[in-house]
Amino acid sequence: EVHLVESGGGLVQPGGSLRLSCTASEVTFSGYPMHWVRQTPGKGLESVSAISPDGGTTYYANFVQGRFTISRDNFKNFLYLQMGSLRGDDMAVYYCVREGTPGSYDYWGQGTLVTVSS
Amino acid sequence: DVVMTQSPLSLPVTLGQPASISCRSSQSLVFSDGNIYLNWFQQRPGQSPRRLIYKIFNRDSGVPDRFSGSGSDTDFTLTISRVEAEDVGVYYCMQGSQWPWTFGQGTKVEIK
Repeated sequence: EVHLVESGGGLVQPGGSLRLSCTASEVTFSGYPMHWVRQTPGKGLESVSAISPDGGTTYYANFVQGRFTISRDNFKNFLYLQMGSLRGDDMAVYYCVREGTPGSYDYWGQGTLVTVSS
Repeated sequence: DVVMTQSPLSLPVTLGQPASISCRSSQSLVFSDGNIYLNWFQQRPGQSPRRLIYKIFNRDSGVPDRFSGSGSDTDFTLTISRVEAEDVGVYYCMQGSQWPWTFGQGTKVEIK
């Protein structure tokens, strides 16, 4: 079974930056699109960003466009989310998710908490 | 963005009884390849979401057959034929037909 493990969450001040990482155990994820999804008590689950298997195509939700950058290193089996200009409403649990079948998420990580506060 | 609207948002059920959750999309979810990418996820307390159903009615491996999905175009339903204690949690529909992919608000299933 695929296990996705996120890291890099933590406390950051408004306007600050943070880089989230995700790696997979047991199997590579290099052949699949990968996503970041976040969850808050107020807004629920939100798709944040996605990246094609080769990393050549990326997608962003409007609310992070220009502030976040998704990337991947298929040789090292890592997925990243570089977050900048962080705001209070970016505070959430961020999940690394695999698009194992088109239009769907088949595996989720355990999530990493991002707290934005001064 | 496609808005996904679930109802009810809270669903108290009696053990062994059926339960249904409705999900409506603000636009048709038919993708250019003819498929409808409508999914259902279960999130138990303290856990990450887990996929139950994809493409309207396809059940994931290991998902009990008491869970079933149905619907078309903009109206979809998740049905639990006989609720068990382990089914307690929040259920989300999600569309993967149009970016950004969007989720419903969630339906909290609890035992009466």
